[in-house]
Amino acid sequence: GQQLNQSPQSMFIQEGEDVSMNCTSSSIFNTWLWYKQDPGEGPVLLIALYKAGELTSNGRLTAQFGITRKDSFLNISASIPSDVGIYFCAGQSTGGFKTIFGAGTRLFVKA
Amino acid sequence: DAGITQSPRHKVTETGTPVTLRCHQTENHRYMYWYRQDPGHGLRLIHYSYGVKDTDKGEVSDGYSVSRSKTEDFLLTLESATSSQTSVYFCAISEGVDTEAFFGQGTRLTVV
Repeated sequence: GQQLNQSPQSMFIQEGEDVSMNCTSSSIFNTWLWYKQDPGEGPVLLIALYKAGELTSNGRLTAQFGITRKDSFLNISASIPSDVGIYFCAGQSTGGFKTIFGAGTRLFVKA
Repeated sequence: DAGITQSPRHKVTETGTPVTLRCHQTENHRYMYWYRQDPGHGLRLIHYSYGVKDTDKGEVSDGYSVSRSKTEDFLLTLESATSSQTSVYFCAISEGVDTEAFFGQGTRLTVV
């Protein structure tokens, strides 16, 4: 079945550094989604991308929908301690219930 | 926050016992989903519902059943719990089939 490869699995960074993570797939998706999960909570949507090549920002977060529709990246600029958590990418085919999630990138930020 | 409530939030049960998890929403969204989250696997879809009494299987549906008798409630049942079903279970809702999903806070289930 469809799979997403999300990398890196984990990152340890210093406060103030920029962060980049990405997802790749062998399948084409119509929508790319990026979620963040805080400890003990459910994932919360950060950014949704609907069009190949689309670049969208949400505060210090920037995400892009790859031209091939098989990949996406998320950048976080000037990281802060509250950025700690697990970031998930998700690819969506036609029909939302066909959403496929990556395994997540666990981000640690040292103050 | 989207009005999604999962209950219970934590449960420990013995192998072979039936378990039912409940998801309740106040958003009147048509679509509801059950996912499980395991280390290294991200979120995997168990079952979903596209309306009252309309449900279908997801990626990892074996050993699970669901029911939706009202728009606001989506129940996940483990007929006979096994240790491999120890996991964190998340309910999600979405207004449309291609719109963003909003997640509940999760239920941590331990099968001993």
